Amino acid sequence: NAGVTQTPKFRVLKTGQSMTLLCAQDMNHEYMYWYRQDPGMGLRLIHYSVGEGTTAKGEVPDGYNVSRLKKQNFLLGLESAAPSQTSVYFCASSYVLVGLVGKNIQYFGAGTRLSVL
Amino acid sequence: KQEVTQIPAALSVPEGENLVLNCSFTDSAIYNLQWFRQDPGKGLTSLLLIQSSQREQTSGRLNASLDKSSGRSTLYIAASQPGDSATYLCAVRPQTGANNLFFGTGTRLTVIP
Repeated sequence: NAGVTQTPKFRVLKTGQSMTLLCAQDMNHEYMYWYRQDPGMGLRLIHYSVGEGTTAKGEVPDGYNVSRLKKQNFLLGLESAAPSQTSVYFCASSYVLVGLVGKNIQYFGAGTRLSVL
Repeated sequence: KQEVTQIPAALSVPEGENLVLNCSFTDSAIYNLQWFRQDPGKGLTSLLLIQSSQREQTSGRLNASLDKSSGRSTLYIAASQPGDSATYLCAVRPQTGANNLFFGTGTRLTVIP
């Protein structure tokens, strides 16, 4: 029962390098999310997806791109990493209960710690 | 924009003590409020979810209350144990905007044996 799995767990990049963070969920959830967590701030939404093939911007989308080609996977890309993108990145997923939005529990992965030098 | 505040930022208590963590939010138009636990270097674990129509939820030694009109929630932990040491986050799901949660910055709890 893996739940939400994020790879890699740690990564160090140099400014300007690119990378992709992978999120995989085995719960058949429709919704998936990417958040970042910075010291002294709450988690902030980067991008999200409400289903396979669909993505949307969240609160802090600049510098990131996402893709949801398969329902179980949600990829977060950094095309040209900047030191400001040093953060811990969390992926989450949730099911949809039609008419019961109030019961939409989000399940989180263990996070990816990214440092950009 | 929804803002979520948690006070205190850190709390240390002796084992066995009952304690209350506080969360406040600025916009009462929410679908639900969730309390999470985060252990160092780990992800978030959902503890309790309170729908906007509910006043409280209980799970074991945990009890969460919600006063939507005043924008407040509390997480009560009874008979605290060293294993309860972690950061506790609250998050609200607004009724408008993206399908995301707005998080507080958390309360770091240390239970001293």
